[in-house]
Amino acid sequence: AQSVTQPDIHITVSEGASLELRCNYSYGATPYLFWYVQSPGQGLQLLLKYFSGDTLVQGIKGFEAEFKRSQSSFNLRKPSVHWSDAAEYFCAGGVGNEKLTFGTGTRLTIIP
Amino acid sequence: DTGVSQNPRHKITKRGQNVTFRCDPISEHNRLYWYRQTLGQGPEFLTYFQNEAQLEKSRLLSDRFSAERPKGSFSTLEIQRTEQGDSAMYLCASSSITGNSYGYTFGSGTRLTVV
Repeated sequence: AQSVTQPDIHITVSEGASLELRCNYSYGATPYLFWYVQSPGQGLQLLLKYFSGDTLVQGIKGFEAEFKRSQSSFNLRKPSVHWSDAAEYFCAGGVGNEKLTFGTGTRLTIIP
Repeated sequence: DTGVSQNPRHKITKRGQNVTFRCDPISEHNRLYWYRQTLGQGPEFLTYFQNEAQLEKSRLLSDRFSAERPKGSFSTLEIQRTEQGDSAMYLCASSSITGNSYGYTFGSGTRLTVV
């Protein structure tokens, strides 16, 4: 079965520190992979996506993610977080242009 | 184009009542999806349309749920005889199967509270 796993339910980092959020996928073939961010009570905003090609993907708000086939991972990174980055982050995978399968999310808290 | 629009943003209803939500996708997108998100969880797929055809329904979509996309444009999701377990955020998304941009865009959602 297709699945996306986010091992970390909650992460706390200091403002200005670096960030890495983990995502692992299980698909029969390489899926399309996405990272979304969600603020409380809001919809999902796309941060970045991977289809093929360059395994390091740049997104909005200074985020990047690296696709590693050997580790079935697509981890999200940011070199220096800002207080406004506090939110829920979701990794998702899909095949073709059909439904997405989401992870359970990682809640990011930023401390001053 | 202002993206994917969902109405209403919030809905409070009494148990047993029927509710209907509307989603207006990005105009050039021919696929439309409904997801449900409960507190502390990621969105779960409910159903999707390609133009007016409903191509897949999740087992989560009980017979109390029905979705339509009559002219291949906007879509409605109706829940009959609501139950407290239906309380959730209902998200709509649209995408295009043409081109390489894979424009998968979500709306802001409709939050349903069943009391």
